[in-house]
Amino acid sequence: EVQLVESGGGLVQPGGSLRLSCAASGFTFSSYAMSWVRQAPGKGLEWVSTISGSGGSTYYADSVKGRFTFSRDNSKNTLYLQMNSLRAEDTAVYYCAKLGTWFGELSALDYWGQGTLVTVSS
Amino acid sequence: DIVMTQTPLSLSVTPGQPASISCKSSQSLLHSDGKTYLYWYLQKPGQSPQLLIYEVSNRFSGVPDRFSGSGSGTDFTLKISRVEAEDVGVYYCMQSIQLPLALTFGGGTKVEIK
Repeated sequence: EVQLVESGGGLVQPGGSLRLSCAASGFTFSSYAMSWVRQAPGKGLEWVSTISGSGGSTYYADSVKGRFTFSRDNSKNTLYLQMNSLRAEDTAVYYCAKLGTWFGELSALDYWGQGTLVTVSS
Repeated sequence: DIVMTQTPLSLSVTPGQPASISCKSSQSLLHSDGKTYLYWYLQKPGQSPQLLIYEVSNRFSGVPDRFSGSGSGTDFTLKISRVEAEDVGVYYCMQSIQLPLALTFGGGTKVEIK
């Protein structure tokens, strides 16, 4: 059974940093690209970033480019999202999700974690 | 970026009746490989999104056959043949054809039971 468990969310001040983690199990982790998708309170879904199976390729939404860094440790089956220079508009539930291909392109987000809440406020 | 537009914003359906949701993309989602990269998700209240339909019309594992997807190019439809109470939530369409990789979602359609 595919399981994705996010952690690391919390309250942070504007301009601050936070690192999210996502622990994966139930599939061959290094064979699949992974993504982060966020959902602001009461709003829709917004893609944040995708990383290839090897970690060699990363893609970011314009809204987070230059502030967020997505990485993975295939030896630990874990993803990391380093979020710097946080803004109020980054407040959201952050979901990690598995893609159906190694590279990530032309693929569905087929399994999702339960999400972790990030609140950016003073 | 490819813009995904869903209609209606909300839908109130009597149990056992059909429901239909439309999704339009700003660019064709038909790839040169012949596949069309359009997906449908359901986010039930208090839960994370779950994949219902991939590549326009293929039901994901465990999805009941009352859900069906259709369409081509830029116009797509999700149909529920007979709505059940467990189908309430927000439905989203998503595209994955854009390169460099950038996924975009529709704004969502909230389905409620009358």
